[in-house]
Amino acid sequence: AQTVTQSQPEMSVQEAETVTLSCTYDTSESNYYLFWYKQPPSRQMILVIRQEAYKQQNATENRFSVNFQKAAKSFSLKISDSQLGDTAMYFCAFIGGGADGLTFGKGTHLIIQP
Amino acid sequence: EPEVTQTPSHQVTQMGQEVILRCVPISNHLYFYWYRQILGQKVEFLVSFYNNEISEKSEIFDDQFSVERPDGSNFTLKIRSTKLEDSAMYFCASSAGGSSGNTIYFGEGSWLTVV
Repeated sequence: AQTVTQSQPEMSVQEAETVTLSCTYDTSESNYYLFWYKQPPSRQMILVIRQEAYKQQNATENRFSVNFQKAAKSFSLKISDSQLGDTAMYFCAFIGGGADGLTFGKGTHLIIQP
Repeated sequence: EPEVTQTPSHQVTQMGQEVILRCVPISNHLYFYWYRQILGQKVEFLVSFYNNEISEKSEIFDDQFSVERPDGSNFTLKIRSTKLEDSAMYFCASSAGGSSGNTIYFGEGSWLTVV
């Protein structure tokens, strides 16, 4: 079974700083996909970024980028120039091996201080 | 931008009652899902649905739960004989494809409180 581990329950940074959220996963699959979802206080689940395991190039979406280390099974999220609106729970998620369902980590609560 | 819509946003029900949570997936999507998030915990997969039948279900999805696509647009989750521990946020989601890694888009959630 796949597992996703987020070791940082909570992080706090100043506005405009760069922050990195960590995520590790465990799988025996070679073909899989990784995601970061954002859950603001409204509790909606919003896709931030996605990475295909077969792609070596790290995904980027504006201020959001990932550091995907396949051999280390690591998938960290970097947020540059952080904004107050980035305050939210961030969940790392995995899907692969023919499974339909996402496996989520426990989340990191990110607080952006003014 | 197309989105997944869910109703109700919040429902309070008596223990032992049946509830139906409704979802309208993104119109051209073929795979539909329900996830659950108990307060303060991680999001958990319940069930996936494709071609009018359950494609995959987790251990959580026991006989108390059922899903249905009663027409061409709605996708419902029925919870029979609700228990206190069923209190959670229930997310509907949809994707264009299945386990090929197509992005799964979530609705805003239905918050169920069982009292």
